[in-house]
Amino acid sequence: DTGVSQNPRHKITKRGQNVTFRCDPISEHNRLYWYRQTLGQGPEFLTYFQNEAQLEKSRLLSDRFSAERPKGSFSTLEIQRTEQGDSAMYLCASSLVGPGTNEKLFFGSGTQLSVL
Amino acid sequence: AQSVAQPEDQVNVAEGNPLTVKCTYSVSGNPYLFWYVQYPNRGLQFLLKYITGDNLVKGSYGFEAEFNKSQTSFHLKKPSALVSDSALYFCAVRKADKLIFGTGTRLQVFP
Repeated sequence: DTGVSQNPRHKITKRGQNVTFRCDPISEHNRLYWYRQTLGQGPEFLTYFQNEAQLEKSRLLSDRFSAERPKGSFSTLEIQRTEQGDSAMYLCASSLVGPGTNEKLFFGSGTQLSVL
Repeated sequence: AQSVAQPEDQVNVAEGNPLTVKCTYSVSGNPYLFWYVQYPNRGLQFLLKYITGDNLVKGSYGFEAEFNKSQTSFHLKKPSALVSDSALYFCAVRKADKLIFGTGTRLQVFP
């Protein structure tokens, strides 16, 4: 069962540094989502892709955040000039959308970012 | 605006007893509602969804949820709790092409 894979699992960085996370979705899935989760909160939507097209970005996603899905397969999320407030679990999810599909999101285990 | 609320941060129940985890929703139009579970160090897992049809929806691991339009609720239920059900449970509503999650309820099942 090749589920959604996220790397790294943990990332510790100093304030001001850039970080990049990777997500490998389930291979046939055409939608890919990024969420952020902080302690005591539910996942908050950041952005999503339909194949390689980025279709929506949350207002939570400042200019320091950029996401790509260059070939419609894996995706990267980069945070530039990290701030302590960026510390969170970053979750990736994928789904297959189309006629007859069940709208189920499959989540990865997340990347825990700590900004010191 | 589409949103869900989970009024309880934690629910404690003894093993073998029925459990209920509450969720209320606020939506315009017909709601598409979901429940997900998060075990420690694991990704969120889909439990069940309501789109249309029967108000009682059956899902994974023996869970079910009851859609109540008059009370705008979508409570998660299980007739007999297991210790292994202890986890974080999230209610969610679909808004456009994404899910909006509640703040979560921690379920603790005691032996």
